[in-house]
Amino acid sequence: ETGVTQTPRHLVMGMTNKKSLKCEQHLGHNAMYWYKQSAKKPLELMFVYNFKEQTENNSVPSRFSPECPNSSHLFLHLHTLQPEDSALYLCASSQETSPLHFGNGTRLTVT
Amino acid sequence: DQQVKQNSPSLSVQEGRISILNCDYTNSMFDYFLWYKKYPAEGPTFLISISSIKDKNEDGRFTVFLNKSAKHLSLHIVPSQPGDSAVYFCAATPNAGGTSYGKLTFGQGTILTVHP
Repeated sequence: ETGVTQTPRHLVMGMTNKKSLKCEQHLGHNAMYWYKQSAKKPLELMFVYNFKEQTENNSVPSRFSPECPNSSHLFLHLHTLQPEDSALYLCASSQETSPLHFGNGTRLTVT
Repeated sequence: DQQVKQNSPSLSVQEGRISILNCDYTNSMFDYFLWYKKYPAEGPTFLISISSIKDKNEDGRFTVFLNKSAKHLSLHIVPSQPGDSAVYFCAATPNAGGTSYGKLTFGQGTILTVHP
């Protein structure tokens, strides 16, 4: 399998649940990212990992907890989310000056 | 305040004609600009980019123009095809190298519909 793969594609969770989003890239890239797209808003950068080290946290609330065990895998752990956190969560990867390669996203609904 | 703006939420064009998508930015630190295309239920895919040292970059049917003094860029698609129907996002980043190329500020997107 090639590219950036995200699972699950759709997720519905209650506000008291704990869930995780998974991202895997097969491109040999060294950097991975989480982006969020809320309804009627532009894509917003959440986190950046470079060689497994977090290099950017774009003022994201602590109820979102990223994890990057190696350069190919990225997780986003979710707990006690709010309905306004419902959005499309996109994972991406890049290498040096290459453009971002995005996965197909996880559509999250918080009830 | 949005630093990258796509003021046209939608654009409708006849097949074979030119599609022109526009994007304005406010941050003078932006040095590298990209266009992404997104189909429903898929992630954005990279289309074309331009560095601030250029004013034009061409790739097949797609051309991006950059006017730094006006802080404006545009994407031209000629000729437009029905398969080009998608959401087009403009994005920008300061050209600081490394992961800066992935730390993009996006516009809201423009929905392009190309009619047969």
